[in-house]
Amino acid sequence: DAKTTQPNSMESNEEEPVHLPCNHSTISGTDYIHWYRQLPSQGPEYVIHGLTSNVNNRMASLAIAEDRKSSTLILHRATLRDAAVYYCILIWNYGGSQGNLIFGKGTKLSVKP
Amino acid sequence: NAGVTQTPKFQVLKTGQSMTLQCAQDMNHEYMSWYRQDPGMGLRLIHYSVGAGITDQGEVPNGYNVSRSTTEDFPLRLLSAAPSQTSVYFCASSYSASGSNEQFFGPGTRLTVL
Repeated sequence: DAKTTQPNSMESNEEEPVHLPCNHSTISGTDYIHWYRQLPSQGPEYVIHGLTSNVNNRMASLAIAEDRKSSTLILHRATLRDAAVYYCILIWNYGGSQGNLIFGKGTKLSVKP
Repeated sequence: NAGVTQTPKFQVLKTGQSMTLQCAQDMNHEYMSWYRQDPGMGLRLIHYSVGAGITDQGEVPNGYNVSRSTTEDFPLRLLSAAPSQTSVYFCASSYSASGSNEQFFGPGTRLTVL
């Protein structure tokens, strides 16, 4: 499976934008870039995903580099509820040997009031 | 929509006991899966299903059985519980197995095997 590299931790102030980077230099052409987050003692929560173009939804924006070797999750105004571990994952098909959501260590985001 | 529901939320078993973790979704999703998450670790895929009547093994299937008789339900059975199965179990579903879809996760079942 293609691997991703993320910083272990980041800090942000409440109501400021947050840019969470992810490197995935071995990404294949069919891999979708997914972002999930996990709050303490909760199940993972889908945030956003994309293939080639930048994506926006109500939670965040995803900026994908032109060569697709990196991406950035953008939280436009961080809130205390956004404090979580954020995972960048590459997936082309769930299930089987390629289907493991390899969450790795992710980036632990702390939000200061 | 209730999304993905799991029962029970907590369970304590003795070694050798069996039990079934329940998972249901009301989104008419074809793909469902079970993961376990050990402390400080990522998710590991136990079993998955691409549709009713079809199941397959993931990364760590030993000691677990699944069945998919309906689109909505995907129970996970522990045959003879062992302390190594102490973990948090998450059920997830998505519209299909394609990576173009997001996965929706349940709240988890925290299992302790003594």
